[in-house]
Amino acid sequence: EVQLVESGGTLVQPGGSLRLSCAASGFTFNNYAMRWVRQAPGKGLEWVSTITSGDATFYADSVKGRFTISRDNSKNTLYVQMNSLRADDTAVYYCVKDRGTSGWVMEYWGQGALVTVSS
Amino acid sequence: QSVLTQPPSVSGAPGQRVTISCAGSSSSIGAGHDVHWYQQLPGTAPKLLISGNNNRPSGVPDRFSGSKSGTSASLAITGLQAEDEADYHCQSYDSSLSRIIFGGGTKLTVL
Repeated sequence: EVQLVESGGTLVQPGGSLRLSCAASGFTFNNYAMRWVRQAPGKGLEWVSTITSGDATFYADSVKGRFTISRDNSKNTLYVQMNSLRADDTAVYYCVKDRGTSGWVMEYWGQGALVTVSS
Repeated sequence: QSVLTQPPSVSGAPGQRVTISCAGSSSSIGAGHDVHWYQQLPGTAPKLLISGNNNRPSGVPDRFSGSKSGTSASLAITGLQAEDEADYHCQSYDSSLSRIIFGGGTKLTVL
């Protein structure tokens, strides 16, 4: 059974930094692209970042230069380092496993980690 | 403002059929990129409902179906049940923006 468990969500001040982690199990982690998707309170879903199985990285314009996605295949863990946080970064952040085929299908989702940026 | 446009809400009585539209553009759905649908039950994470326009993952009832035409896609739910009350999100890719895109989500209310 695929499991994705996020951790690290908390309250942080504007301009601060935070690292989210996602522990993955139930599949061969290093074979799949992984993503972060966020959902602001009462809003829709927003793609944040992707890291491929070959470690290529992609970012939404809204986070480019501030967020860094990475993975540790030895620990089956996905990360996102978030710097220079702003109020509009407040959201639930989901760790998502790609299906591994073409089409950018988000096959499995974690339960989410809440990040609140406020003074 | 989302790049894919969905109605904010739809509703239907138990047993009825409802559809949720997802309007894109010539650089997203119209460019041939697949549309996927996710169901988000209250207080939970999204779950893959339909992939590749009209493919149901194992365990998803055949009451759910998807279609795509031109620059738009639709999700149809037949035999509506109370447990279908949820938010539904469509997702695709935009070649001009070079990124994954979502609709704003549609809240389905079962009357």
